[in-house]
Amino acid sequence: EVQLVESGGGLVKPGGSLRLSCAASGFTFSNAWMSWVRQAPGRGLEWVGRIQRKTDGGTTDYAAPLKGRFSISRDDSKNTLYLQMNSLKTEDTAVYYCTTERDGGFDSWGQGTLVTVSS
Amino acid sequence: DVVMTQSPLSLPVTLGQPASISCKSSQSLVYSDGNTYLSWFQQRPGQSPRRLIYKVSNRESGVPDRFSGSGSGTDFTLKISRVEAEDVGVYYCMQGTHWLTFGGGTKVEIK
Repeated sequence: EVQLVESGGGLVKPGGSLRLSCAASGFTFSNAWMSWVRQAPGRGLEWVGRIQRKTDGGTTDYAAPLKGRFSISRDDSKNTLYLQMNSLKTEDTAVYYCTTERDGGFDSWGQGTLVTVSS
Repeated sequence: DVVMTQSPLSLPVTLGQPASISCKSSQSLVYSDGNTYLSWFQQRPGQSPRRLIYKVSNRESGVPDRFSGSGSGTDFTLKISRVEAEDVGVYYCMQGTHWLTFGGGTKVEIK
């Protein structure tokens, strides 16, 4: 069974940084394209960015508004996905989900981790 | 950016009756490989989203067959043949042809 468990969320001040982790199990992590999707309180879903599997180049892509502040990486030896978030703004407050990406969409989701950006 | 527009925003339905959600994209979602990367997601209250349908009409494993997807080009539809209480939640369409963007969501509730 696929399991994705996010961690690292919490309260951070505007301008601060935070690193989220996603521990994956139940599938061959190194073969998977992985994405982060977020959801602001009471709002809809927003794709944050993705990282390809290494055999496809390991390239990262980001939603245009987030490029430059957010960075995605992976450690296939630890079956772990990361999201480094810098220069955080209040509008980055959201639940952040780790997902696997297949057939042009997100087929497995974690339970999410809440990031609150507030002074 | 491709804009995904869902309607209606809210859909009150009677148990056992059918329901239909529309999703329109601002550009054709046919990719160069011939596939159309349109997915549908269900998010029950307090839960993570779950994909129901991928590539327009393919149901994920374990998804009841009362859910069906159809459409082509820029117009797509999710249908629930007979709504059950467990279907309450917000439904999102999403395109994966031109980067990845979601529709705004449709809230399904029981009358």
